[in-house]
Amino acid sequence: QKEVEQNSGPLSVPEGAIASLNCTYSDRGSQSFFWYRQYSGKSPELIMSIYSNGDKEDGRFTAQLNKASQYVSLLIRDSQPSDSATYLCAVTGSGGYNKLIFGAGTRLAVHP
Amino acid sequence: DTAVSQTPKYLVTQMGNDKSIKCEQNLGHDTMYWYKQDSKKFLKIMFSYNNKELIINETVPNRFSPKSPDKAHLNLHINSLELGDSAVYFCASSQPNQPQHFGDGTRLSIL
Repeated sequence: QKEVEQNSGPLSVPEGAIASLNCTYSDRGSQSFFWYRQYSGKSPELIMSIYSNGDKEDGRFTAQLNKASQYVSLLIRDSQPSDSATYLCAVTGSGGYNKLIFGAGTRLAVHP
Repeated sequence: DTAVSQTPKYLVTQMGNDKSIKCEQNLGHDTMYWYKQDSKKFLKIMFSYNNKELIINETVPNRFSPKSPDKAHLNLHINSLELGDSAVYFCASSQPNQPQHFGDGTRLSIL
């Protein structure tokens, strides 16, 4: 079982729709959860961090965490073509030292 | 005033050569990391230093040797380069238990 799993996509949504990206993780001791966006040929860019169960909203982005289900998601409202990128879910392992374990990423395509 | 900067951006070299990648951060962070992103875009941690001390040392060939002269700098030296070393290498930095910030990456191509 992979430590952090994501659907590789591509997830295709029309402009203006809600894009829903999902991630599951295997380490029950994980404490910190992040979503990074990576455009082709560029570096990962942090867009959301979440540390406790529930929802966290920032502009058009909402991160949701359910530690009991070992599940974290990212919702993008009013999707724009500029949101087209690969979204990486990252989780810190319970071993400490802020060791980030990344999923393989979900490619999102927003079409006009 | 780039926060995490890596040099060089591109590195093209032949098998068997030795090369180094340098990273510097001006964010005042205590911890720095090296990641490798392979052709399938999978991002995996290699090493981490906290205030010049090695704290994460994943299972990578011992041809890879990190070095941190001070907490703002982290270099990666690779000996006897192999075809499988072709990848993008990212440097990152953070404060303890805080989000990591990535440099622009070094694209290494082995001929």
